[in-house]
Amino acid sequence: DIVMTQSPDSLAVSLGERATINCKSSQSVLYNSNNKNYLAWYQQKPGQSPKLLIYWTSTRVSGVPDRFSGSGSGTDFSLTISSLQAEDVAVYYCQQYYSTPQTFGQGTKVEIK
Amino acid sequence: QVQLVQSGSELKKPGASVKVSCQASGYTFTSYNMNWVRQAPGQGLEWMGRINTDTGNPTYAQGFIGRFVFSLDTSVNTAYLQISSLKAEDTAVYYCARDKGYFDFWGQGILVTVSS
Repeated sequence: DIVMTQSPDSLAVSLGERATINCKSSQSVLYNSNNKNYLAWYQQKPGQSPKLLIYWTSTRVSGVPDRFSGSGSGTDFSLTISSLQAEDVAVYYCQQYYSTPQTFGQGTKVEIK
Repeated sequence: QVQLVQSGSELKKPGASVKVSCQASGYTFTSYNMNWVRQAPGQGLEWMGRINTDTGNPTYAQGFIGRFVFSLDTSVNTAYLQISSLKAEDTAVYYCARDKGYFDFWGQGILVTVSS
């Protein structure tokens, strides 16, 4: 199984400041035949179900604010919130869908400093 | 619009069984597999497995083989999760999620509480 490890486990950022979450996979999730990284990011607000934010590493879901961006390749990925807003307080999960079982990172809790 | 509507919360005693549902609307049900994801209290997301909504063929993650059964009723666009011989450690929120590789739509979750 591919193990997904996020860092940090939690971070507190001031409103308007940048937040960056890292995600590392135990093996590459890059599929060479299509040059795509099978990596997604989800946001889970308190008491809600997870919501897909980004897929294929960097493709934002329609309606997701452009302050959210994803990057990386192979085994190292990141999610950046360029200017943290109050409504971004949540737990964020990365997920690989390169192979079964699809596996999630342990989650990163983002709070306001 | 795509919606996955799950059945209501359940309170069960240890050793009992539970069957929860996930009804899809807004798309062709048999065009996308359905996943099940568990979230224990205060914990992260754990993929339980998926069911091929076209063939009915299930795939179970390790740790969910034996007591967990995925099934379908395509006449009502519904996927089911049945858990038998419930244990306290099965207490969790169970989500269904549509499969595009990534999980693009999620149900609202079902809290299953196992307590004597």
